[in-house]
Amino acid sequence: GAGVSQSPRYKVAKRGQDVALRCDPISGHVSLFWYQQALGQGPEFLTYFQNEAQLDKSGLPSDRFFAERPEGSVSTLKIQRTQQEDSAVYLCASSLTEVTDTQYFGPGTRLTVL
Amino acid sequence: KQEVTQIPAALSVPEGENLVLNCSFTDSAIYNLQWFRQDPGKGLTSLLLIQSSQREQTSGRLNASLDKSSGRSTLYIAASQPGDSATYLCAAGGTSYGKLTFGQGTILTVHP
Repeated sequence: GAGVSQSPRYKVAKRGQDVALRCDPISGHVSLFWYQQALGQGPEFLTYFQNEAQLDKSGLPSDRFFAERPEGSVSTLKIQRTQQEDSAVYLCASSLTEVTDTQYFGPGTRLTVL
Repeated sequence: KQEVTQIPAALSVPEGENLVLNCSFTDSAIYNLQWFRQDPGKGLTSLLLIQSSQREQTSGRLNASLDKSSGRSTLYIAASQPGDSATYLCAAGGTSYGKLTFGQGTILTVHP
């Protein structure tokens, strides 16, 4: 009965490096969301998966951002050639169904790009 | 594009007070309105979810209302406690699958 877990919890990257952030949703949850939260702001939507299908990626800020969920469970958010403006907390959330439902959030990964 | 605004940005109250947090949204075509709590260094915890067809939801000392026509929601906290201190976020659900647009949050401090 564990909740949503994310790893790593903290990541420091040099500008230009690639990073990969992992999300383990609650088992059996169909929907998975990624959000980006800048300091002092509310989270902003990045992308949505229904099982393994990425149905909405309208929030990804550039083509340097890529997300996948190949088997419909674990998801990875990859950021290529990181830039300072990518520094933020990346939150993952899952919900049981494919329709409007309570979203359960993980603790987030704090990314700092130097 | 949906925009969500929360007022006030910060609120400090003595323990025991009843308080109201406000949330407004620009596009009334929402599927639901959700309230979350965020503690420092942690993820979000869902407090209440109001479907677009509903007017309010209650959980314990919390009551949330929704007025779609005016683009407003309020979160009422009764008999506040120091443990209620956190950032409260409202979010408008704009799609059938639950994509959320968040406000910037209200930082609540309840002092003993």
